[in-house]
Amino acid sequence: AQKVTQAQTEISVVEKEDVTLDCVYETRDTTYYLFWYKQPPSGELVFLIRRNSFDEQNEISGRYSWNFQKSTSSFNFTITASQVVDSAVYFCALSEAKGGFKTIFGAGTRLFVKA
Amino acid sequence: EAGVVQSPRYKIIEKKQPVAFWCNPISGHNTLYWYLQNLGQGPELLIRYENEEAVDDSQLPKDRFSAERLKGVDSTLKIQPAELGDSAVYLCASSRQGAAQATVNNEQFFGPGTRLTVL
Repeated sequence: AQKVTQAQTEISVVEKEDVTLDCVYETRDTTYYLFWYKQPPSGELVFLIRRNSFDEQNEISGRYSWNFQKSTSSFNFTITASQVVDSAVYFCALSEAKGGFKTIFGAGTRLFVKA
Repeated sequence: EAGVVQSPRYKIIEKKQPVAFWCNPISGHNTLYWYLQNLGQGPELLIRYENEEAVDDSQLPKDRFSAERLKGVDSTLKIQPAELGDSAVYLCASSRQGAAQATVNNEQFFGPGTRLTVL
């Protein structure tokens, strides 16, 4: 069965600090996709990144970077030089072929960035 | 490009009353999702449509929940009768998605949700 664990319920940092949001997933499938979404206070989830199981290459997009490690079943998300606008709930998600590619979301990590 | 539109944004009803939520996806998106999000949790899929066909409704409590997407565009989710435990945010999302695996996991675009309170 597929499962996504975001062990950090809440994280609080001061602006300009770096912060890493952890995501650990469980799957028995060899074909799967991982995602990160951001949910600001307005409520609309916003897509950040998708990674498939055959592509372990890390990715950097501006202040955001993602570290995908199949050996530890982790897909961690780092924000460099955090800003107040980064305050939101961040969700990691997984969809696997055997599950019909149904997207399963983690419980989310609430990030507070203080000025 | 207009985003996913949902209405109403907020709804307060008494238990045992019916309630309906409406969603208009992004133009050209053939896949539509309804999710339930409880406080402090991630979204949970209720139903997924490919055009007008419900391809995954395994998580939809069919005794009281129903959904339709008659013309493959906008969709309605209904609860009848509502129970106290149905209080949550109901999210609609859409994506450009087809049968081919290469496109089956395109990113989903979410609406702002409908916050339902059942008293």
